[in-house]
Amino acid sequence: AQKITQTQPGMFVQEKEAVTLDCTYDTSDPSYGLFWYKQPSSGEMIFLIYQGSYDQQNATEGRYSLNFQKARKSANLVISASQLGDSAMYFCAMRDDRDDKIIFGKGTRLHILP
Amino acid sequence: EPEVTQTPSHQVTQMGQEVILRCVPISNHLYFYWYRQILGQKVEFLVSFYNNEISEKSEIFDDQFSVERPDGSNFTLKIRSTKLEDSAMYFCASSEEGTDAYEQYFGPGTRLTVT
Repeated sequence: AQKITQTQPGMFVQEKEAVTLDCTYDTSDPSYGLFWYKQPSSGEMIFLIYQGSYDQQNATEGRYSLNFQKARKSANLVISASQLGDSAMYFCAMRDDRDDKIIFGKGTRLHILP
Repeated sequence: EPEVTQTPSHQVTQMGQEVILRCVPISNHLYFYWYRQILGQKVEFLVSFYNNEISEKSEIFDDQFSVERPDGSNFTLKIRSTKLEDSAMYFCASSEEGTDAYEQYFGPGTRLTVT
């Protein structure tokens, strides 16, 4: 069965520092996609970055990069040069090729300190 | 940039009442989804919809729930007889294709409060 695990319920990081949010996943399907979403206090879900299981390179989108380690089933999100506006809940999510649905982790609440 | 919209942003209803949550997906998207997030918990899949029919649903999506695409733009979630435990944020999402390579774009959510 699919599973997403985020082991950090909360993190405090100083502004301008880089931060890594952990995510491990489990699936038996060889073809899958991994996603990160940001949920600010206003509640909306904002798509950040996508990594396909067959992608050779780690995905990057601006200050966001995904550290994809397939053998470890790990898909950590790295935010470089964190900003106060990065304070939010971050969800790691996965979808495999058999399913329509995205499975979400429990999230990590990130607090950026000035 | 095109976006998914949802109305209302917040709905308060009494237990046992019917509610309809409305969504307008991105116009060229073909796959539509509903998710819910109970306060403080993770986002959970409810249902996916393609070609005017449900393609997948979760155990949460019981007979109290139904979805409809009444016209070419709206996608609705109906809860027939709301329960206290239906209180949650409900997200609509849409994607261009149904494979794992396509991200699902989420709407801003409707916060449903059942009293």
